[in-house]
Order: sequence, then structure tokens, then C-alpha cells
Amino acid sequence: AQSVTQLDSHVSVSEGTPVLLRCNYSSSYSPSLFWYVQHPNKGLQLLLKYTSAATLVKGINGFEAEFKKSETSFHLTKPSAHMSDAAEYFCVVSPASYKLIFGSGTRLLVRP
Amino acid sequence: NAGVTQTPKFQVLKTGQSMTLQCAQDMNHNSMYWYRQDPGMGLRLIYYSASEGTTDKGEVPNGYNVSRLNKREFSLRLESAAPSQTSVYFCASSGRTGGEGQPQHFGDGTRLSIL
Repeated sequence: AQSVTQLDSHVSVSEGTPVLLRCNYSSSYSPSLFWYVQHPNKGLQLLLKYTSAATLVKGINGFEAEFKKSETSFHLTKPSAHMSDAAEYFCVVSPASYKLIFGSGTRLLVRP
Repeated sequence: NAGVTQTPKFQVLKTGQSMTLQCAQDMNHNSMYWYRQDPGMGLRLIYYSASEGTTDKGEVPNGYNVSRLNKREFSLRLESAAPSQTSVYFCASSGRTGGEGQPQHFGDGTRLSIL
């Protein structure tokens, strides 16, 4: 069975410092993986997706994620946090079907 | 470019009342989905429609019904609302069901409280 674990429920960084949001997945085969962001009172917006073409995936707003099969990880990073990055982030795994399996989310707080 | 539009944005119901949440997409997507979001639980799939004319249960379908009215519209109905159905409901769509790398596009949600 496929599953996804977000290792931190909350992450706090200072503006201008790097962001690391951690995600581990469990899958019996190479999955499709996504990161979504949710700002308050908004729907989920796709940040980036991994679909086996390249292990380092670049997304919107300066975010990127690296797929590491040996570690079953798909961590999200950004070199320099901005105040507008404060939101909740979801790591999502998709088997080859309709299904999206969501992590429980990581809330990112950016301090001035 | 509206994407996925949900109505209403907010609703308060009394236990036992019924209501229908509406969703429409303008991206010519084949597949549509209804989720609920509860604190600390991510999103859970209620129902989905792989294509016009078909609907299937997701992870938490009890207490809900759906209708795929046409390719654009997918509604979610609560026949007899219960306090446990207090949640934020999201509609989503994707180009097709299945296959590699099919992201879903989400509406802004309906915040539903049941007293």
C-alpha cells in the first residue's frame, strides 16, 4: 500500500533563510509525487510534480524538490524564505489511478 | 480563467437538513473529485467521477451522494446533515483518471458547519 509521511507538522524559519519541508513515501513501485501549497481560506495549488523524468524537480515561486529513491524521500526546499511563503504544504503520492494520497501537512511559519 | 468554482463558500446547517454543494470547472477536464479536509488529516476523497456519466466511492462516502450533471459540473449532496460532516469541502478536477503525473486542480472550498 502506498502512503506518505510528512515528518514535521510545523516548521518555523526567518525570512531570507532556507526552507526544508520533509516528506517520506512508501510505494511498491515508482510513484508520481506532488507538493501542493494551501494558503489560508484557499484551495490547494500545485507547486511541483515528479513523474520519473528527472530527480530534481523545479516548481513555482522558487521551490524545488529532489526525489531520492534510496531514501524514499521527496523533500521540498527553497533557498530563501519570503513572508508570502507562510502556508500549509502537502506532500502527495499518486498511484496509477484516480487516487491522491495526502500527507497530513506541514505548516510553514516565516518570521520577519 | 476561473478554473474550479465552488458554491457556496460558507454554509451553516442544522442537524437533519439537506443541501447540495455545487462545483463547476472550465478546463474541459474529464475527471472530477470531492474531498473533505479536517484538521490534521489532510484531504480524504469522498467520491469521484472518472468521466461524464460515471461516479465511484472514495475513502469516506457514507452520508453523501453525488451527481455528475455534465462534463463541467459535479455536485455533492448531504441528505441529512450530521455534526460529524462539519468540514471544509473541496472539489477538484484533472485531465483524466489514472496514468502518471496527473495533478488535480482545486477550488477554493466550501466551509460547512452543522449545528
